[in-house]
Amino acid sequence: DQQVKQNSPSLSVQEGRISILNCDYTNSMFDYFLWYKKYPAEGPTFLISISSIKDKNEDGRFTVFLNKSAKHLSLHIVPSQPGDSAVYFCAANTGNQFYFGTGTSLTVIP
Amino acid sequence: DGGITQSPKYLFRKEGQNVTLSCEQNLNHDAMYWYRQDPGQGLRLIYYSQIVNDFQKGDIAEGYSVSREKKESFPLTVTSAQKNPTAFYLCASSMAGLRGNQPQHFGDGTRLSIL
Repeated sequence: DQQVKQNSPSLSVQEGRISILNCDYTNSMFDYFLWYKKYPAEGPTFLISISSIKDKNEDGRFTVFLNKSAKHLSLHIVPSQPGDSAVYFCAANTGNQFYFGTGTSLTVIP
Repeated sequence: DGGITQSPKYLFRKEGQNVTLSCEQNLNHDAMYWYRQDPGQGLRLIYYSQIVNDFQKGDIAEGYSVSREKKESFPLTVTSAQKNPTAFYLCASSMAGLRGNQPQHFGDGTRLSIL
């Protein structure tokens, strides 16, 4: 049973525009959420995280929003750059395990 | 440079053969993990270890074994009991175990294929 879901396998945006990647989860006990970026043939790289006590966390061009009532997480990238083209995984944590979504492949078109 | 090193990058296994995937970290992290990634799926946890000489099963531990004799090393053995071993294997580590809001850091993975 997939506790963390990324329903969009792929997303294409124009350079300079906003990229919005979405993630839904089912377990209300999750208390820490993360986004990872992954290039082909490499391991995921940590991008940004948010604790369940917050609803927004910002780091440069990247902002993560958490809507606990909707059990929804989103990552905003503004402005999008061609180097942002990668697969993005969301993850959630409670107790002893992290749970990962299936990933969204972002393509930023120059 | 600090990081996590997985080797080899590509590995081939014959039917009925055990193979061991290496994972070494020099980040002084306490916790280490092994994940498996299949096409179209997220990362699934195989085993994790929070301290030396201790490890716990994840969601898909059957057919795998691990050891944690040193803080820096967490090798994964894919045994002949694992009937579908072809996958991309990722090793990760983190500072304060699986709690404490610490992100995981990943190696670059090992792709295992069956001959």
